[in-house]
Amino acid sequence: DAKTTQPPSMDCAEGRAANLPCNHSTISGNEYVYWYRQIHSQGPQYIIHGLKNNETNEMASLIITEDRKSSTLILPHATLRDTAVYYCIVRVPGNTPLVFGKGTRLSVIA
Amino acid sequence: DTGVSQNPRHKITKRGQNVTFRCDPISEHNRLYWYRQTLGQGPEFLTYFQNEAQLEKSRLLSDRFSAERPKGSFSTLEIQRTEQGDSAMYLCASSIRDSMNTEAFFGQGTRLTVV
Repeated sequence: DAKTTQPPSMDCAEGRAANLPCNHSTISGNEYVYWYRQIHSQGPQYIIHGLKNNETNEMASLIITEDRKSSTLILPHATLRDTAVYYCIVRVPGNTPLVFGKGTRLSVIA
Repeated sequence: DTGVSQNPRHKITKRGQNVTFRCDPISEHNRLYWYRQTLGQGPEFLTYFQNEAQLEKSRLLSDRFSAERPKGSFSTLEIQRTEQGDSAMYLCASSIRDSMNTEAFFGQGTRLTVV
């Protein structure tokens, strides 16, 4: 079973920042937070992952709270192409398969 | 294209028939995963391989399902005596073991419709 809780859906205006929350209150010390997204009719796509420090790449930023019980994925300037289902997953890298929940359906609106 | 390739993209079959799907992972990836996804749900893990060894099988993988990766390269997923409940998107993913950057790369999936 997924160890994360995400809101089922969110809307965001095009050009604005999209902030997607994730609760993972039972995360263990060696588990990382991963984010994937799935655009309609495609396979999931890796976005970013982190352990305890904030991370940034060309796609997004990941903010993890100090107690590691929650995190936020930030898309700084959302575009219509960012409309997708976003999955937050906690796992030990390399040891276990990804376990997906239902994710958050993000709709970017023009 | 050097991504994960799945064939066919779509398959329609009659109930009771057998079907086989193929997945070609990224060439240097030693791990290969199969997932199933139904409408409105996230992908559900079925099984995975490290090289040619099948390391884990989900309880979702009934005895009608069998997966192989005979030479540690491509993999096949066979469903025998298909049922309507098998209708779903079947996703394949690959990754490299023993790396901290173990993101999995997914194919576009095979959509199965059992009529």
